[in-house]
Amino acid sequence: DQQVKQNSPSLSVQEGRISILNCDYTNSMFDYFLWYKKYPAEGPTFLISISSIKDKNEDGRFTVFLNKSAKHLSLHIVPSQPGDSAVYFCAASSNPSYSGAGSYQLTFGKGTKLSVIP
Amino acid sequence: DSGVTQTPKHLITATGQRVTLRCSPRSGDLSVYWYQQSLDQGLQFLIQYYNGEERAKGNILERFSAQQFPDLHSELNLSSLELGDSALYFCASSPRDRGSYGYTFGSGTRLTVV
Repeated sequence: DQQVKQNSPSLSVQEGRISILNCDYTNSMFDYFLWYKKYPAEGPTFLISISSIKDKNEDGRFTVFLNKSAKHLSLHIVPSQPGDSAVYFCAASSNPSYSGAGSYQLTFGKGTKLSVIP
Repeated sequence: DSGVTQTPKHLITATGQRVTLRCSPRSGDLSVYWYQQSLDQGLQFLIQYYNGEERAKGNILERFSAQQFPDLHSELNLSSLELGDSALYFCASSPRDRGSYGYTFGSGTRLTVV
């Protein structure tokens, strides 16, 4: 049972345009969400995060939006650059008061491969 | 350099063999997490250690085991290897017993079982 889903395995975008990567989750105990970026032959690196008390967090060209009622978050990259070409993983963590299964670690989606075309 | 060191970077071995993957966490981090990334799969959580003790277990096969030593480095042991165990194995670390606010990943060990 996948608790964090990234339904688009890949996405191609022209340089300078907006990239929108989507993520859905099912566990209502998730209250902190992160995006990681992964280049080939490297480990994932942290990109941006958002707490469930917010609906938007911005860092330069990267903005994450959270819709709690829909259990959906998205990562917007504007403008997209060729160096943004990578696999993007959505991850979620649960409320610290929750001690059930999966409460200590991050749960990741399968990733979306973004290709930014020059 | 993320501060999390994984060795070796690449490993090729035969079916039925046993291998050990090593991870040194970022300085000051007490938790180590092991993940497996197979083809077309996301990051599958295997196991977490916090300050030397097992804290959480995911979809880790019985043929796999791990430990964290007093100096906080961790080893993942994979035995009776099968072709399907070929994957990227990542180690990550975090300061506390929960990874709530994110981890720092190492660059991974690519295991190929032939």
